[in-house]
Amino acid sequence: GQQLNQSPQSMFIQEGEDVSMNCTSSSIFNTWLWYKQDPGEGPVLLIALYKAGELTSNGRLTAQFGITRKDSFLNISASIPSDVGIYFCAGHNAGNNRKLIWGLGTSLAVNP
Amino acid sequence: SQTIHQWPATLVQPVGSPLSLECTVEGTSNPNLYWYRQAAGRGLQLLFYSVGIGQISSEVPQNLSASRPQDRQFILSSKKLLLSDSGFYLCAWSAIGNAQHFGDGTRLSIL
Repeated sequence: GQQLNQSPQSMFIQEGEDVSMNCTSSSIFNTWLWYKQDPGEGPVLLIALYKAGELTSNGRLTAQFGITRKDSFLNISASIPSDVGIYFCAGHNAGNNRKLIWGLGTSLAVNP
Repeated sequence: SQTIHQWPATLVQPVGSPLSLECTVEGTSNPNLYWYRQAAGRGLQLLFYSVGIGQISSEVPQNLSASRPQDRQFILSSKKLLLSDSGFYLCAWSAIGNAQHFGDGTRLSIL
């Protein structure tokens, strides 16, 4: 099935650094979602974006719905050790609002 | 507020045994319900989804089946488990067109 192109695949950073990850699609999307998954747990929704150009923040996290509706990014500012985990992007493409299309995840490691 | 419950948290089953995983949602009505499998901590594979009681859409051919006997209950089953059925199984719910919200998952190990 269709997948989103999510990059980078993994990141290893120092505590306090900023992080940026992004997702791209070959088709137009109506929603973009960003999730974080800790080991052994289900993904938790971080930010939901429903309009092209929308820029939304959640604490130190900021995400944007690209103007072309084919991409989104997530930024994390001033990373801390508890930011460690796998971050997934997902979205509904314009033809189907029942199923999400998922990226393969960005694994983030933070060195204290 | 809405909550989703999934159980058991871990399960160890012998090859060839049956399986039943249950998921229930509270605080909403007529949710879309989903079963995913995740291997090796990366990548979520959609197995089944349901938009209403008795309505099941299967995404991949496999040894598993799903049922929705009540509005807020979603069950994942197998008659005979295979080694390849091992993995982390996640249930999720959503309102149509909106974000999905996940349970805590079931870690299934097949021996």
